[in-house]
Amino acid sequence: DAGVIQSPRHEVTEMGQEVTLRCKPISGHNSLFWYRQTMMRGLELLIYFNNNVPIDDSGMPEDRFSAKMPNASFSTLKIQPSEPRDSAVYFCASTLTLPSETQYFGPGTRLLVL
Amino acid sequence: DAKTTQPPSMDCAEGRAANLPCNHSTISGNEYVYWYRQIHSQGPQYIIHGLKNNETNEMASLIITEDRKSSTLILPHATLRDTAVYYCIVSSSNTGKLIFGQGTTLQVKP
Repeated sequence: DAGVIQSPRHEVTEMGQEVTLRCKPISGHNSLFWYRQTMMRGLELLIYFNNNVPIDDSGMPEDRFSAKMPNASFSTLKIQPSEPRDSAVYFCASTLTLPSETQYFGPGTRLLVL
Repeated sequence: DAKTTQPPSMDCAEGRAANLPCNHSTISGNEYVYWYRQIHSQGPQYIIHGLKNNETNEMASLIITEDRKSSTLILPHATLRDTAVYYCIVSSSNTGKLIFGQGTTLQVKP
């Protein structure tokens, strides 16, 4: 299995631009998580889905952030408009179902907003 | 979910056992203890989890005290590749949600 796939791996953009991060979970996994990691705040859970339905989005920082999961094999995290404080590594993780012991993380997308 | 406390950093000699402690004094009856690690620039990786019994797998052992207020992750023969940040997480089995703290940075030295 290819594992969780994230794209792009690196993104540099200017403040005010729209950013879309993509995630393909492991085939057959029904739950998907988006995390953000910064030096200051560590690893934070933003939102998670089960069977393509958002379960908990309480970690989404503000309305500029939105996430969708149109089908079981694809999810997006969008930031519009982006700001320099959004610079972080964004991880996607998937698991077979909820509740589950093991989350499998992707390699992350390193985002820099200038 | 209960909060965990871990030392910010630890050193271990290569080939020796690494014992990483975690305090979770407010853990409740349906909460599991999970351990993940994050090697530099990679996504976190699951290591092991347990409820009340000690657990062992090919990566590590997890020792949970009888009162469940603390636990220890044991890497029996640490290698340089085990250098990473180790996260102890307490989570309800109902939600599957993981809340990461600051973790322990383990440095394995030759």
